[in-house]
Amino acid sequence: QVTLRESGPALVKPTQTLTLTCTFSGFSLSTSGMCVSWIRQPPGKALEWLALIDWDDDKYYSTSLKTRLTISKDTSKNQVVLTMTNMDPVDTATYYCARIPDGAVAGTFDYWGQGTLVTVSS
Amino acid sequence: EIVMTQSPATLSVSPGERATLSCRASQSVSSNLAWYQQKPGQAPRLLIYGASTRATGIPARFSGSGSGTEFTLTISSLQSEDFAVYYCQQYNNWPPLFTFGPGTKVDIK
Repeated sequence: QVTLRESGPALVKPTQTLTLTCTFSGFSLSTSGMCVSWIRQPPGKALEWLALIDWDDDKYYSTSLKTRLTISKDTSKNQVVLTMTNMDPVDTATYYCARIPDGAVAGTFDYWGQGTLVTVSS
Repeated sequence: EIVMTQSPATLSVSPGERATLSCRASQSVSSNLAWYQQKPGQAPRLLIYGASTRATGIPARFSGSGSGTEFTLTISSLQSEDFAVYYCQQYNNWPPLFTFGPGTKVDIK
């Protein structure tokens, strides 16, 4: 079955760089049409899409955050990594990774990790 | 950039009643609209894609309709497990553009 799990630090200081890892199973990111995305959710607020990487190693970023984000993948390890530079307290949020499948459901996030809460504070 | 709005922000409904949630896009997204359910402390769950197709395992009491800029999620008879926050998401021009609405909280009346 498809599973995704986020890992990374729970606490980062302002100006530091955040590195999050999404480890997944049950599908391959080398399968044509498959994508993995990062989405975040500040406490009590709505979801915000951050970045996407596809099977062909194409990468896409949120317009508002693209200068701070880098997404990469290690297909052999079934992992996707997101880095976010220059962290600020407003970046405090639960960070999710999610799968975008191919086919009729393409464009939607059909499986999600449980999320990891990242707090930015000195 | 496409902006998604949802109404109402909070909907108070009694168990067994019908709930109707609205989602509006600032420009046409065709039928490229999904709905998600999120319960406290949990990740969102995909309910509807293509504006009206239920995802795998989603009960028939959930239905979606609409196209273009106006969309509706209807829960025909609310069960206790349906009290949650519901988000719409457009994917008309993906990648790279995905946009979520601000959410509608469905709580117990």
